[in-house]
Amino acid sequence: EAGVVQSPRYKIIEKKQPVAFWCNPISGHNTLYWYLQNLGQGPELLIRYENEEAVDDSQLPKDRFSAERLKGVDSTLKIQPAELGDSAVYLCASSAGEGYEQYFGPGTRLTVT
Amino acid sequence: KQEVTQIPAALSVPEGENLVLNCSFTDSAIYNLQWFRQDPGKGLTSLLLIQSSQREQTSGRLNASLDKSSGRSTLYIAASQPGDSATYLCAVSPHSGTYKYIFGTGTRLKVLA
Repeated sequence: EAGVVQSPRYKIIEKKQPVAFWCNPISGHNTLYWYLQNLGQGPELLIRYENEEAVDDSQLPKDRFSAERLKGVDSTLKIQPAELGDSAVYLCASSAGEGYEQYFGPGTRLTVT
Repeated sequence: KQEVTQIPAALSVPEGENLVLNCSFTDSAIYNLQWFRQDPGKGLTSLLLIQSSQREQTSGRLNASLDKSSGRSTLYIAASQPGDSATYLCAVSPHSGTYKYIFGTGTRLKVLA
């Protein structure tokens, strides 16, 4: 069974540029999460989806971050415009439902210069 | 507000040693707790998931225990191997209905050959 797929794995952009990350969850997993992980820290939840509905986006900086999960499968996280402080690893995870074991993708390492 | 602490932040042990990693949380009203390992530059790999009604879970050389009343979980690794070297993270889901994982900052383990 394929795991959670993320792309790109690495991205380097200049500040003020837009960037987008893509996630394909494990087949059949209704719940999808986007996390941000700073160096030496644990991941922090940005947004959680149940199918195509964002049920928890309280931690998402909505002035520059946006996310979508069309058709309740793949998801895209976008930053526009990027700031230097956005440099981090962006992790996608999925689970079979609320409260079930979460499985993580390899992450996208973003560097903003 | 739920806070998760992992001590020590780093640990070096000789190969073959049995070891215990600690995770503490401030609010005992949790839904579940999950242990992960993270290799450098990689995503998180799920190790064990403990539901709030359980006291422990075992997988191979790993055993995780949960004591909600004291706000503690331990991950026991038997007969450690160099391949166990990684960062180990614990995450708690505060209570039913939110399913938002709060992560600790991790313990960096190095097993010396």
